Amino acid sequence: GAVVSQHPSWVICKSGTSVKIECRSLDFQATTMFWYRQFPKQSLMLMATSNEGSKATYEQGVEKDKFLINHASLTLSTLTVTSAHPEDSSFYICSASPRIDRGYEQYFGPGTRLTVT
Amino acid sequence: AQSVTQLDSQVPVFEEAPVELRCNYSSSVSVYLFWYVQYPNQGLQLLLKYLSGSTLVKGINGFEAEFNKSQTSFHLRKPSVHISDTAEYFCAVSVREWLKGGKLIFGQGTELSVKP
Repeated sequence: GAVVSQHPSWVICKSGTSVKIECRSLDFQATTMFWYRQFPKQSLMLMATSNEGSKATYEQGVEKDKFLINHASLTLSTLTVTSAHPEDSSFYICSASPRIDRGYEQYFGPGTRLTVT
Repeated sequence: AQSVTQLDSQVPVFEEAPVELRCNYSSSVSVYLFWYVQYPNQGLQLLLKYLSGSTLVKGINGFEAEFNKSQTSFHLRKPSVHISDTAEYFCAVSVREWLKGGKLIFGQGTELSVKP
């Protein structure tokens, strides 16, 4: 149980276009979802936290207008990278928590590799 | 501010040998500590966590870690590794104000490579 999927697993887009990444909790309801960014050989950096039906809370330094997060249902969150540029190329990972009082209990998706050309 | 340092980026080891993956943290307040494992093409999985109580924490797959407050460390150990333990391992820290909301700070990761 506690499976989180991401789609697509990899995507290539041209500079200036937008790309959407989906994160789904397959067998549980996710009260909270998290989006991370990982550069090669570096740690996961938390970008934002979202609760179903609420606006996402972004970490300091993360452009909310560039990285649009929508947590439309208890099983789906989306991350849209708007007007992507090569520096946005990275590995994006989502996680989901079924417990609103235990956000540290997170189940992670396999990640999405974004390459902007 | 909190931070996590994993001292080794790569750890090669032979099968059935013991292994220790090192993790040190920095925080001015009490911490909660986690180890995650990431197998190729899979999401991170929780190996073990320290929230309170005994400083020696046992996790899945035969791993254990010891919280050492004086040395600000949370090293991961396994007495005898298998080929299947080959993966990336991440140490993470949280603090009380973040714990409920789920905010975690991750280390850079340690690539464990088990050779036959």
